Amino acid sequence: QSALTQPASVSGSPGQSITISCNGTSSDVGAYNYVAWYQQHPGRAPKLMMYHVTNRPSGVSDRFSGSKSDNSASLTISGLQAEDEADYYCNSFTKSTTWVFGGGTKLTVL
Amino acid sequence: EVQLVESGGGLVQPGGSLRLSCAVSGFTFSSNWMSWVRQAPGKGLEWVATISQDGSQKFYVASVKGRFTISRDNVQSSLFLQMNSLRAEDTAVYYCARYIASQFDPWGQGTLVTVSS
Repeated sequence: QSALTQPASVSGSPGQSITISCNGTSSDVGAYNYVAWYQQHPGRAPKLMMYHVTNRPSGVSDRFSGSKSDNSASLTISGLQAEDEADYYCNSFTKSTTWVFGGGTKLTVL
Repeated sequence: EVQLVESGGGLVQPGGSLRLSCAVSGFTFSSNWMSWVRQAPGKGLEWVATISQDGSQKFYVASVKGRFTISRDNVQSSLFLQMNSLRAEDTAVYYCARYIASQFDPWGQGTLVTVSS
């Protein structure tokens, strides 16, 4: 099972919007609406930011939104803030009853 | 307060064994699937293993099948990962996490495993 494909890095200025893509296959991202996104600050444990493609856990800002089309998912962060600077990982359940993460995207707030 | 606390990491020689533990509090451990996820130094996240509530179902990433065993003690609210035949590429921070409704949440702070001679 290959890792999902994410851009290595994205950047944006405070107040702007950015989108992080997550490309998979018909055996993972495209097979189910079981895509989640995690935020990880340096030296910290990952934190769930989005689940079931479009659902935000309690306490996560509504500046975060998710979407999916065919075998690709996306995480959009609007109104960028300095605290959003972190690594972001997508994750999907697969038809093989395994779970696969993306390679991670480093978000830099300029 | 929900807490997941990993322990058991350390330095081990290639070919050696190590047993990781994860002590859980703040939610009903016996009602939840649990998982291990690892992160090699400077690298991304990699799912390792998942176990069902009663331990009857276990799933592993291909690279650890036959070497790692996930287990749990629902009386002690603890999750374990027995790691045998360790390789340099198993060096990572190992996180335990609750697996619920297709996502991993929450996560522990992790324990570092270093495989080196």
